[in-house]
Amino acid sequence: GAGVSQSPSNKVTEKGKDVELRCDPISGHTALYWYRQSLGQGLEFLIYFQGNSAPDKSGLPSDRFSAERTGGSVSTLTIQRTQQEDSAVYLCASSDYRTTDTQYFGPGTRLTVL
Amino acid sequence: GNSVTQMEGPVTLSEEAFLTINCTYTATGYPSLFWYVQYPGEGLQLLLKATKADDKGSNKGFEATYRKETTSFHLEKGSVQVSDSAVYFCALGRGTGNQFYFGTGTSLTVIP
Repeated sequence: GAGVSQSPSNKVTEKGKDVELRCDPISGHTALYWYRQSLGQGLEFLIYFQGNSAPDKSGLPSDRFSAERTGGSVSTLTIQRTQQEDSAVYLCASSDYRTTDTQYFGPGTRLTVL
Repeated sequence: GNSVTQMEGPVTLSEEAFLTINCTYTATGYPSLFWYVQYPGEGLQLLLKATKADDKGSNKGFEATYRKETTSFHLEKGSVQVSDSAVYFCALGRGTGNQFYFGTGTSLTVIP
C-alpha cells in the first residue's frame, strides 16, 4: 500500500513568515510522529499523536511550533514567525501501535528559511 | 534517560570490504533497537530491528545483534556494495506509542 507522504517536498520562505507542512500517514496507522533533522545532527523528536488522546508535545522547541491532526489521519505542522535556525528537514512517521513499534517515515520536507 | 551513541563518520570503504558501524545505547527496561538507512534524496527506511536481548536482526546482508550485557547493537555487513552508500541511523524504541531516540547517523561511502 501507499507509504507516508509529505508535502511540500521543499519549502523556501523568508524569515518571519509562517509555514505549514503536511503529513499523510499510512492508512490505518493511529500513531503519528514529527521529527526534525538538522544539518549534521540526528533526528530530534517534536510531537506525537495517538488516536484521540492529547498529543505529546514535549519535543516542540518553542511556542512558535504547533501541530494538529484532523480526523485521526492527516497532520499539519505549523511554524510561526520562522527563524533561520528552523531550517531543517522535517520528517513525519506513522505506526500501527496495536501491533508493532516500528515507525515508517515519509520522505520529509526540506525547509529553508532565508 | 534514553540515548543512543553512534559511531561518527564519515566512513569510506572499498567495494567488498567488511563494514561495522558501532551503536551503543542507554535505556531503562527493555527497549527495541533499530537500524534505519537513508539513501541520498530519500526518507528513512527500516533496515532491521531486534526486540529483545540476543535477537539478531538481518536484512539485505546486514546484521545486528542486540547485546544487553554491552548495551550495543552494532551493524555489520560482510561485503559492502556501492549501492550501500547511505546514511545509517541507530534508534531505540520504548514500546508502541513512544518516540524513537536516534543516533546522529553515520555516512557510508563505498567506492568501486
